[in-house]
Amino acid sequence: NAGVTQTPKFRVLKTGQSMTLLCAQDMNHEYMYWYRQDPGMGLRLIHYSVGEGTTAKGEVPDGYNVSRLKKQNFLLGLESAAPSQTSVYFCASREVKGPRFSTDTQYFGPGTRLTVL
Amino acid sequence: GNSVTQMEGPVTLSEEAFLTINCTYTATGYPSLFWYVQYPGEGLQLLLKATKADDKGSNKGFEATYRKETTSFHLEKGSVQVSDSAVYFCALSVIQGAQKLVFGQGTRLTINP
Repeated sequence: NAGVTQTPKFRVLKTGQSMTLLCAQDMNHEYMYWYRQDPGMGLRLIHYSVGEGTTAKGEVPDGYNVSRLKKQNFLLGLESAAPSQTSVYFCASREVKGPRFSTDTQYFGPGTRLTVL
Repeated sequence: GNSVTQMEGPVTLSEEAFLTINCTYTATGYPSLFWYVQYPGEGLQLLLKATKADDKGSNKGFEATYRKETTSFHLEKGSVQVSDSAVYFCALSVIQGAQKLVFGQGTRLTINP
Protein backbone atom coordinates (compact mmCIF):
# COMPACT_ATOMS: atom_id res chain seq x y z
CA ASN A 1 0.00 0.00 0.00
CA ALA A 2 1.93 3.01 -1.29
CA GLY A 3 -0.72 5.61 -0.42
CA VAL A 4 -0.53 8.70 -2.64
CA THR A 5 2.42 8.96 -5.02
CA GLN A 6 3.40 11.82 -7.33
CA THR A 7 5.55 11.85 -10.43
CA PRO A 8 7.94 13.57 -10.98
CA LYS A 9 9.44 14.89 -7.74
CA PHE A 10 11.23 17.81 -9.40
CA ARG A 11 10.98 19.49 -12.79
CA VAL A 12 12.35 22.59 -14.46
CA LEU A 13 10.49 24.01 -17.47
CA LYS A 14 11.01 26.92 -19.80
CA THR A 15 8.20 29.40 -20.31
CA GLY A 16 5.73 28.05 -22.86
CA GLN A 17 6.60 24.37 -22.41
CA SER A 18 3.96 21.86 -21.41
CA MET A 19 3.99 19.02 -18.94
CA THR A 20 1.79 16.62 -17.02
CA LEU A 21 2.01 15.78 -13.34
CA LEU A 22 0.78 12.35 -12.35
CA CYS A 23 -0.91 11.50 -9.07
CA ALA A 24 -1.72 7.90 -8.20
CA GLN A 25 -3.49 6.41 -5.19
CA ASP A 26 -4.00 2.76 -4.30
CA MET A 27 -6.62 3.25 -1.59
CA ASN A 28 -9.68 3.15 -3.87
CA HIS A 29 -10.71 6.68 -2.89
CA GLU A 30 -13.35 8.48 -4.93
CA TYR A 31 -12.21 12.05 -4.25
CA MET A 32 -8.89 13.45 -5.44
CA TYR A 33 -7.47 16.97 -5.34
CA TRP A 34 -4.62 19.09 -6.72
CA TYR A 35 -3.19 21.94 -4.64
CA ARG A 36 -0.34 24.37 -5.08
CA GLN A 37 1.75 25.63 -2.19
CA ASP A 38 3.42 29.01 -2.36
CA PRO A 39 5.46 30.76 0.35
CA GLY A 40 3.31 32.63 2.85
CA MET A 41 0.06 31.53 1.20
CA GLY A 42 -0.63 28.02 2.44
CA LEU A 43 -2.16 25.57 -0.01
CA ARG A 44 -4.71 26.57 -2.64
CA LEU A 45 -7.02 24.20 -4.46
CA ILE A 46 -6.51 24.04 -8.23
CA HIS A 47 -8.94 21.31 -9.35
CA TYR A 48 -10.61 18.35 -7.78
CA SER A 49 -12.52 15.21 -8.75
CA VAL A 50 -15.39 13.46 -6.99
CA GLY A 51 -15.03 10.26 -9.00
CA GLU A 52 -13.74 8.63 -12.15
CA GLY A 53 -14.55 10.69 -15.22
CA THR A 54 -15.43 13.85 -13.26
CA THR A 55 -13.47 17.03 -12.58
CA ALA A 56 -14.27 20.45 -11.14
CA LYS A 57 -12.54 23.80 -10.69
CA GLY A 58 -11.09 24.89 -7.41
CA GLU A 59 -9.86 28.27 -6.22
CA VAL A 60 -7.04 28.83 -8.76
CA PRO A 61 -7.79 26.76 -11.91
CA ASP A 62 -6.53 29.13 -14.62
CA GLY A 63 -3.63 27.76 -16.69
CA TYR A 64 -4.24 24.17 -15.60
CA ASN A 65 -6.25 21.24 -16.91
CA VAL A 66 -6.97 17.90 -15.28
CA SER A 67 -8.22 14.45 -16.20
CA ARG A 68 -9.48 11.48 -14.19
CA LEU A 69 -9.78 8.66 -16.73
CA LYS A 70 -9.04 6.00 -14.13
CA LYS A 71 -10.15 6.06 -10.51
CA GLN A 72 -6.62 5.66 -9.19
CA ASN A 73 -5.02 8.41 -11.27
CA PHE A 74 -5.49 12.18 -11.36
CA LEU A 75 -3.42 14.11 -13.92
CA LEU A 76 -2.61 17.81 -13.79
CA GLY A 77 -1.55 19.45 -17.04
CA LEU A 78 0.14 22.72 -17.83
CA GLU A 79 -0.34 23.51 -21.52
CA SER A 80 1.90 26.59 -21.64
CA ALA A 81 3.92 27.05 -18.48
CA ALA A 82 4.46 30.51 -17.01
CA PRO A 83 6.87 31.67 -14.27
CA SER A 84 3.83 32.33 -12.05
CA GLN A 85 3.27 28.57 -11.99
CA THR A 86 6.54 27.99 -10.17
CA SER A 87 5.34 26.25 -7.03
CA VAL A 88 5.16 23.00 -5.10
CA TYR A 89 2.21 20.90 -6.22
CA PHE A 90 0.47 18.47 -3.90
CA CYS A 91 -2.05 15.83 -4.74
CA ALA A 92 -4.44 14.41 -2.17
CA SER A 93 -7.08 11.70 -2.02
CA ARG A 94 -9.90 11.59 0.45
CA GLU A 95 -11.14 8.72 2.56
CA VAL A 96 -14.77 8.98 3.63
CA LYS A 97 -16.49 6.29 5.64
CA GLY A 98 -18.73 5.68 8.58
CA PRO A 99 -21.96 7.33 9.70
CA ARG A 100 -22.06 11.12 9.25
CA PHE A 101 -18.56 11.12 7.79
CA SER A 102 -17.02 9.93 11.05
CA THR A 103 -13.86 9.20 9.06
CA ASP A 104 -13.15 11.99 6.60
CA THR A 105 -9.45 12.48 5.90
CA GLN A 106 -7.39 13.77 3.00
CA TYR A 107 -4.09 11.95 2.40
CA PHE A 108 -1.39 13.97 0.70
CA GLY A 109 1.39 12.92 -1.62
CA PRO A 110 5.01 14.06 -1.14
CA GLY A 111 4.76 16.89 -3.66
CA THR A 112 6.30 17.96 -6.97
CA ARG A 113 8.57 20.98 -7.02
CA LEU A 114 8.15 22.80 -10.35
CA THR A 115 10.28 25.70 -11.52
CA VAL A 116 9.36 27.64 -14.66
CA LEU A 117 12.15 29.81 -16.05
CA GLY B 1 -15.66 34.55 1.50
CA ASN B 2 -14.02 31.81 3.48
CA SER B 3 -10.58 32.40 4.93
CA VAL B 4 -8.19 31.26 7.64
CA THR B 5 -5.64 33.40 9.45
CA GLN B 6 -2.78 31.93 11.48
CA MET B 7 -0.27 33.61 13.73
CA GLU B 8 2.86 34.74 11.97
CA GLY B 9 5.87 32.52 12.22
CA PRO B 10 8.43 31.31 12.63
CA VAL B 11 7.97 30.15 16.20
CA THR B 12 11.00 28.90 18.12
CA LEU B 13 10.66 27.19 21.50
CA SER B 14 12.74 25.10 23.84
CA GLU B 15 11.93 21.46 24.45
CA GLU B 16 9.17 20.92 27.03
CA ALA B 17 7.77 24.43 26.53
CA PHE B 18 4.05 25.09 26.14
CA LEU B 19 2.89 25.70 22.59
CA THR B 20 0.02 27.78 21.26
CA ILE B 21 -0.50 28.52 17.57
CA ASN B 22 -3.43 30.84 16.99
CA CYS B 23 -5.94 30.28 14.21
CA THR B 24 -9.06 32.31 13.41
CA TYR B 25 -11.46 31.85 10.56
CA THR B 26 -14.17 33.52 8.52
CA ALA B 27 -16.76 31.27 6.94
CA THR B 28 -20.27 31.11 5.58
CA GLY B 29 -22.27 28.28 7.03
CA TYR B 30 -20.89 25.84 9.57
CA PRO B 31 -17.33 24.82 8.78
CA SER B 32 -15.34 21.82 9.86
CA LEU B 33 -11.91 22.80 11.18
CA PHE B 34 -8.59 21.02 10.78
CA TRP B 35 -4.94 21.18 11.74
CA TYR B 36 -2.44 19.65 9.33
CA VAL B 37 1.29 19.15 9.91
CA GLN B 38 4.03 19.09 7.28
CA TYR B 39 7.39 17.60 8.24
CA PRO B 40 10.43 18.58 6.16
CA GLY B 41 10.33 17.16 2.66
CA GLU B 42 6.94 15.51 3.12
CA GLY B 43 3.31 16.11 2.27
CA LEU B 44 0.70 17.25 4.76
CA GLN B 45 -0.75 14.92 7.38
CA LEU B 46 -4.00 15.43 9.24
CA LEU B 47 -3.19 16.14 12.88
CA LEU B 48 -6.67 16.69 14.31
CA LYS B 49 -10.08 18.01 13.42
CA ALA B 50 -13.39 19.23 14.87
CA THR B 51 -16.70 19.28 13.05
CA LYS B 52 -18.95 21.37 15.28
CA ALA B 53 -18.86 24.08 17.91
CA ASP B 54 -17.26 23.15 21.27
CA ASP B 55 -15.76 19.95 19.84
CA LYS B 56 -12.18 19.29 20.90
CA GLY B 57 -9.84 17.53 18.51
CA SER B 58 -6.76 15.82 19.92
CA ASN B 59 -3.86 13.72 18.70
CA LYS B 60 -0.23 13.11 19.72
CA GLY B 61 -0.59 15.46 22.70
CA PHE B 62 -1.95 18.31 20.56
CA GLU B 63 -5.39 19.75 21.20
CA ALA B 64 -7.65 22.35 19.61
CA THR B 65 -11.18 23.42 20.55
CA TYR B 66 -13.73 24.73 18.03
CA ARG B 67 -14.85 28.10 19.42
CA LYS B 68 -17.75 29.47 17.40
CA GLU B 69 -18.14 32.62 19.52
CA THR B 70 -14.56 33.72 18.82
CA THR B 71 -14.28 31.96 15.40
CA SER B 72 -11.06 30.34 16.58
CA PHE B 73 -9.35 26.94 16.58
CA HIS B 74 -6.06 27.46 18.42
CA LEU B 75 -3.56 24.59 18.52
CA GLU B 76 -1.97 23.76 21.90
CA LYS B 77 0.49 21.28 23.32
CA GLY B 78 1.62 21.16 26.90
CA SER B 79 5.20 19.99 26.37
CA VAL B 80 6.78 20.09 22.92
CA GLN B 81 9.55 17.85 21.66
CA VAL B 82 12.24 18.34 19.04
CA SER B 83 10.32 15.92 16.81
CA ASP B 84 7.39 18.41 16.72
CA SER B 85 9.44 20.75 14.54
CA ALA B 86 7.37 21.18 11.37
CA VAL B 87 5.03 23.55 9.58
CA TYR B 88 1.48 23.60 10.92
CA PHE B 89 -1.53 24.55 8.82
CA CYS B 90 -5.00 25.44 10.02
CA ALA B 91 -7.78 24.76 7.51
CA LEU B 92 -11.54 24.80 7.13
CA SER B 93 -14.11 23.14 4.93
CA VAL B 94 -17.66 24.36 4.50
CA ILE B 95 -18.92 22.05 1.77
CA GLN B 96 -19.44 18.62 3.27
CA GLY B 97 -19.82 16.89 -0.10
CA ALA B 98 -16.51 17.78 -1.72
CA GLN B 99 -14.50 18.89 1.35
CA LYS B 100 -12.78 21.75 -0.43
CA LEU B 101 -10.18 22.80 2.12
CA VAL B 102 -9.19 26.44 2.66
CA PHE B 103 -5.79 26.73 4.32
CA GLY B 104 -4.07 29.33 6.43
CA GLN B 105 -0.59 30.42 5.45
CA GLY B 106 1.17 27.97 7.77
CA THR B 107 3.31 28.47 10.88
CA ARG B 108 6.83 27.10 11.00
CA LEU B 109 7.69 25.68 14.43
CA THR B 110 11.24 24.90 15.53
CA ILE B 111 11.95 23.19 18.83
CA ASN B 112 15.45 23.45 20.24
CA PRO B 113 16.84 20.79 22.59
